[in-house]
Amino acid sequence: NAGVTQNPKFQVLKTGQSMTLQCAQDMNHNSMYWYRQDPGMGLRLIYYSASEGTTDKGEVPNGYNVSRLNKREFSLRLESAAPSQTSVYFCASSAADLQQYFGPGTRLTVT
Amino acid sequence: SQKIEQNSEALNIQEGKTATLTCNYTNYSPAYLQWYRQDPGRGPVFLLLIRENEKEKRKERLKVTFDTTLKQSLFHITASQPADSATYLCALPRGGYSTLTFGKGTMLLVSP
Repeated sequence: NAGVTQNPKFQVLKTGQSMTLQCAQDMNHNSMYWYRQDPGMGLRLIYYSASEGTTDKGEVPNGYNVSRLNKREFSLRLESAAPSQTSVYFCASSAADLQQYFGPGTRLTVT
Repeated sequence: SQKIEQNSEALNIQEGKTATLTCNYTNYSPAYLQWYRQDPGRGPVFLLLIRENEKEKRKERLKVTFDTTLKQSLFHITASQPADSATYLCALPRGGYSTLTFGKGTMLLVSP
């Protein structure tokens, strides 16, 4: 049982480049989430998916898109990266018990 | 707007003492509150969930209280150990029942 996995672990992009952050969970959870964590700002919700086939905006969705590919996978795409998107990105999933299970994070630097 | 406040200053305590962390919130009437632990370079890990009709919840050396009148939760670690050193985050439901808003966390440092 791997829990929540994220790829890549580290990434450096130039401004304007695009990339997709991958997330997968093997716990059969319905809900999945993408957060970013910045010093002094805490964890902020970017997008979430309450169930397969649905996605909704969170607190800071601008500049991002998501895809809930199937029940296991929830990807986050940066179409045109900006330095303000330099952050640590966490994917999480949850079931009906409400607790969230987090992945190890992706450390993204945009230069 | 909804706001969660946790002490931004690190809490330094000696091994064996009880650590008490505070989470205050405003403009919320949460059905529950959660606490997470985060170690450097890692994702948060769930510790405890307490519901609005529960005053106190315990798990091993951890105790959480939830005062909906004061709009405050206290998180206690008894007989603290250096391995308890981490950042502790509180989280409340955000609008939709399954989404959470996190506080910025309080760092706990337990010295031997």
